[in-house]
Amino acid sequence: DAMVIQNPRYQVTQFGKPVTLSCSQTLNHNVMYWYQQKSSQAPKLLFHYYDKDFNNEADTPDNFQSRRPNTSFCFLDIRSPGLGDAAMYLCATSFGQGPTEAFFGQGTRLTVV
Amino acid sequence: GENVEQHPSTLSVQEGDSAVIKCTYSDSASNYFPWYKQELGKGPQLIIDIRSNVGEKKDQRIAVTLNKTAKHFSLHITETQPEDSAVYFCACSGGYQKVTFGTGTKLQVIP
Repeated sequence: DAMVIQNPRYQVTQFGKPVTLSCSQTLNHNVMYWYQQKSSQAPKLLFHYYDKDFNNEADTPDNFQSRRPNTSFCFLDIRSPGLGDAAMYLCATSFGQGPTEAFFGQGTRLTVV
Repeated sequence: GENVEQHPSTLSVQEGDSAVIKCTYSDSASNYFPWYKQELGKGPQLIIDIRSNVGEKKDQRIAVTLNKTAKHFSLHITETQPEDSAVYFCACSGGYQKVTFGTGTKLQVIP
């Protein structure tokens, strides 16, 4: 019954070693988002796809990249993780043109060692 | 950009009492105001939302009020239950996909 699925739930990576987090959805939503959430903080939008159009937030570091090969899948690539990138990464989807409900996955907790 | 302030940051209430969380925003163009509940180790989940053409919306024990003139909106939870314990985020958005979240309120309902 899961609608937005993130894999893995927990990821440990080495400092500087590239890592990829994945997100899939069964909702057929046209918008997909990636958020970074650090402990006791609000989710912070990194970027989103509106269909195939990529929209990067101005303050998202270049270290973070994303790919959306098709409607169902979206990936977050961290090219050279630093200790400050340890966080929960949340994928979300929504449907339509205007602002509307976002459906979140369970998140991937990234640890950098 | 949009700035959303949320208060209080923590809130403890006795089971059965009401809880109120308040948010203010800065961008007068914002027209969509969702509230999300986040339980430990899970992603946020929408519990109620309101659009700018409505002043109040209610869904069972949960209600949201919006004052566009003053740029603030509030979440009201009545007859609180232990399972209401979680972190609650307000958020707002203009005519785009970007949603700006408030800083969160950790609600504890004491049995």
